[in-house]
Amino acid sequence: EVQLVESGGGLVKPGGSLRLSCAASGFTFSSYSMNWVRQAPGKGLEWVSSISSSSSYIYYADSVKGRFTISRDNAKNSLYLQMNSLRAEDTAVYYCARYGSGWGDYWGQGTLVTVSS
Amino acid sequence: QSVLTQPPSVSAAPGQKVTISCSGSSSNIGNNYVSWYQQLPGTAPKLLIYDNNKRPSGIPDRFSGSKSGTSATLGITGLQTGDEADYYCGTWDSSLSAGQVFGGGTKLTVL
Repeated sequence: EVQLVESGGGLVKPGGSLRLSCAASGFTFSSYSMNWVRQAPGKGLEWVSSISSSSSYIYYADSVKGRFTISRDNAKNSLYLQMNSLRAEDTAVYYCARYGSGWGDYWGQGTLVTVSS
Repeated sequence: QSVLTQPPSVSAAPGQKVTISCSGSSSNIGNNYVSWYQQLPGTAPKLLIYDNNKRPSGIPDRFSGSKSGTSATLGITGLQTGDEADYYCGTWDSSLSAGQVFGGGTKLTVL
């Protein structure tokens, strides 16, 4: 069974940093592109970043470019999102999602990031 | 302002059919596959349709997708109260700022 479990969310002050993790199981993690998507409270889905299976291709939304860094460790079946210079508008539930049979064929349960003083 | 345009809400009675539209441009829907997602309250999104009209295993054939030019449509027949959810379209945008784009979401109410 495919499982994606996010962790690392929490309360952080503006300008602070946080590192999110997504632990994958039930599939060959190294064969799939992975993504981060966020959802601000009461708002719609917003794509954040994508990384190819071997990390050769990486993409970022303009809203996070230069502040967030996506990475993966295929040996540990894990996806990461390093978030620096956090702003209030980064407050959201962050989901990791797999690109398998379709973009976002599996999603994690999400982890809440709150940026507030 | 979302790159893809969806109606904020649609409604229909149980057993009826509803369609949800998603409008984009040549840099996204016009040249890439469209996916549709269902998000029940308090849960993560779930893939309903991918590659414009394909259903993942376990998704009933009451759900269908189509694409024409720079627009896509999600159809749901035999509406059930359990279908009340937010629905999002998504696709890759091949413009200068390449990336996945989503519609603003459509709230489906089953009256």
